[in-house]
Amino acid sequence: NAGVMQNPRHLVRRRGQEARLRCSPMKGHSHVYWYRQLPEEGLKFMVYLQKENIIDESGMPKERFSAEFPKEGPSILRIQQVVRGDSAAYFCASSLQPGGARTYEQYFGPGTRLTVT
Amino acid sequence: EDKVVQSPLSLVVHEGDTVTLNCSYEVTNFRSLLWYKQEKKAPTFLFMLTSSGIEKKSGRLSSILDKKELFSILNITATQTGDSAVYLCALNTGTASKLTFGTGTRLQVTL
Repeated sequence: NAGVMQNPRHLVRRRGQEARLRCSPMKGHSHVYWYRQLPEEGLKFMVYLQKENIIDESGMPKERFSAEFPKEGPSILRIQQVVRGDSAAYFCASSLQPGGARTYEQYFGPGTRLTVT
Repeated sequence: EDKVVQSPLSLVVHEGDTVTLNCSYEVTNFRSLLWYKQEKKAPTFLFMLTSSGIEKKSGRLSSILDKKELFSILNITATQTGDSAVYLCALNTGTASKLTFGTGTRLQVTL
């Protein structure tokens, strides 16, 4: 029973390039969350998606960042024209579908460490 | 704005000691409180708490929630060097199910 998969684990990009981070949720999970962890800081929520739908993107920077979770394939977090301040660990989590008052624990992937040079 | 405060920020103990980690919060729409352990990789899920006063236990770890006083504690008894990690507290709030994290408590267990 594979857990949450993320790739690549490490990504180095030069300023101005694009970064694409992929996340495959746990089997049976239909909801994906992206978090960013800057050096020496806590995890910060970015975006919450279900298949073909963005539920909450309140934590996403307004420019250069986008996310999708297509009907087939992994969720993608895309960062265009990367800058040094984008260097961080990006974690993906997945859960079962929350409903009403019921919430489910989120399980995290190993993260992608993005370094912008 | 939702707030999660963990204390202490860091802690060094000897193997065999018992530790208590604290998490206090201010949130507008509480749904659940979660504890995670983070070593140099993915946060690993420990507990999810939704009701006051009900202790959750897993081996040497236990946790309890007080929704009146707005805090939770995570206890680790008979600590081992493998318990060394950052322990994260997170609140699940609102309808969107996003997690708001504290900055964590860094625990170091020495021989």
